Amino acid sequence: EVQLVESGGGLVKPGGSLRLSCAASGFSFSSYSMNWVRQAPGKGLEWISSISPGSRYIYYADSVRGRFTISRDNAQNSLYLQMNSLRGEDTALYFCARPVDMATIGFEYWGQGTLVTVSS
Amino acid sequence: EILLTQSPATLSLSPGERATLSCRASQSVSSNLAWYQQKPGQAPRLLIYEVSKRATGIPARFRGSGSGTDFTLTISSLEPEDFAVYYCQQRTSSPPSLTFGGGTQVEIK
Repeated sequence: EVQLVESGGGLVKPGGSLRLSCAASGFSFSSYSMNWVRQAPGKGLEWISSISPGSRYIYYADSVRGRFTISRDNAQNSLYLQMNSLRGEDTALYFCARPVDMATIGFEYWGQGTLVTVSS
Repeated sequence: EILLTQSPATLSLSPGERATLSCRASQSVSSNLAWYQQKPGQAPRLLIYEVSKRATGIPARFRGSGSGTDFTLTISSLEPEDFAVYYCQQRTSSPPSLTFGGGTQVEIK
């Protein structure tokens, strides 16, 4: 069974940092690109970052580029999101997500999310 | 950046009725279009990918169609569990980006 479990969320002051983790199991983690998607309270979905299986290709949404860094450890079956210079508008539920396959749009598996609250 | 506009924002229908949801892209997205369903307190659920392919376990009442810039999700006969928010998503390669639409709330009339 495919499982994605996020952790690391919490309350942080504006300008602060946080590192999110996503533990993957039930599939060959090193064979899939992985993604972070967030959802602000009561709002829609926002894709924020993708990383290819070998970490060669990394992409960010404009809203987080230069502040957030995605990474992965295939040996540990883990995905990470280092978030720096956090702002109030970064307050959201952060999901990690796995696509159907390498070539296909469509996030077939999602974690339950970890909540990040940026407030003084 | 490609923008996705979903309409209507809210769709009020009764169980058994047909639901037609629209997703319009600001430029062509080829076949890189997916649809999701999200219920309160849950992660999104993939329904359709590559415009018209149903994800594993998705009932046949969900159908995706369209091309270029105009896409449609049709639910042929609404079941009680189908009342939820639906999002479309696109992917572009130049520059590499993924975008979600703003969502359509399908509510019980």
